[in-house]
Amino acid sequence: EIVLTQSPTTIAASPGEKVTITCRASSSVSYMYWYQQKSGASPKLWIYDTSKLASGVPNRFSGSGSGTSYSLTINTMETEDAATYYCQQWSSTPPTWTFGGGTKLELK
Amino acid sequence: EVKLQQSGDELVRPGASVKMSCKASGYTFTDYAMHWVKQSPGQGLEWIGTIIPLIDTTSYNQKFKGKATLTADKSSNTAYMELSRLTSEDSAVYYCAREVLITTSGFDYWGQGVMVTVSS
Repeated sequence: EIVLTQSPTTIAASPGEKVTITCRASSSVSYMYWYQQKSGASPKLWIYDTSKLASGVPNRFSGSGSGTSYSLTINTMETEDAATYYCQQWSSTPPTWTFGGGTKLELK
Repeated sequence: EVKLQQSGDELVRPGASVKMSCKASGYTFTDYAMHWVKQSPGQGLEWIGTIIPLIDTTSYNQKFKGKATLTADKSSNTAYMELSRLTSEDSAVYYCAREVLITTSGFDYWGQGVMVTVSS
């Protein structure tokens, strides 16, 4: 079973700051997915296939990575970006989806 | 407009079962898989399992085998999850979320969640 480890667990950023969240997989994965979840709301697909932005996601967000190391970057932090972000991967044998533990991004 | 409308919050006794629903609208139900995800209070997301309504096939996280049973009714575009032998560890919010079948692309729409509270 592949384990996803996110870092940091919590991060605080000021508006305008660059933010990077990392997700490390215990074994190589083909793609990474990212979700944004705000308090009391359902998660939203944010980035898919490692680097593609979901519909409506601002282009200050980007995703990158390969193998066992992936990241989500916010080029310039905005107040609305404060949320918890989860990475996710899919394994085919057996068919399994796994989430990382989450990174809480707070406004400084 | 795509919508996944989940049933209401539940208060259930320990040892009992609960069955929740996820009614899909705004898209072709059989073009997508339906996933179920657990979020315990203050915790992260856990994938429970998936049902492919088109071929009525399920796959489960090993952790939830025997706990969760996924079904779907194509005639009403509704997916269901039943949780059995409930304990306090099952108190959580449960989400349904869809994923397109033709490619692995993540869970692009989610229901609003069902809060299950297990208490005597």
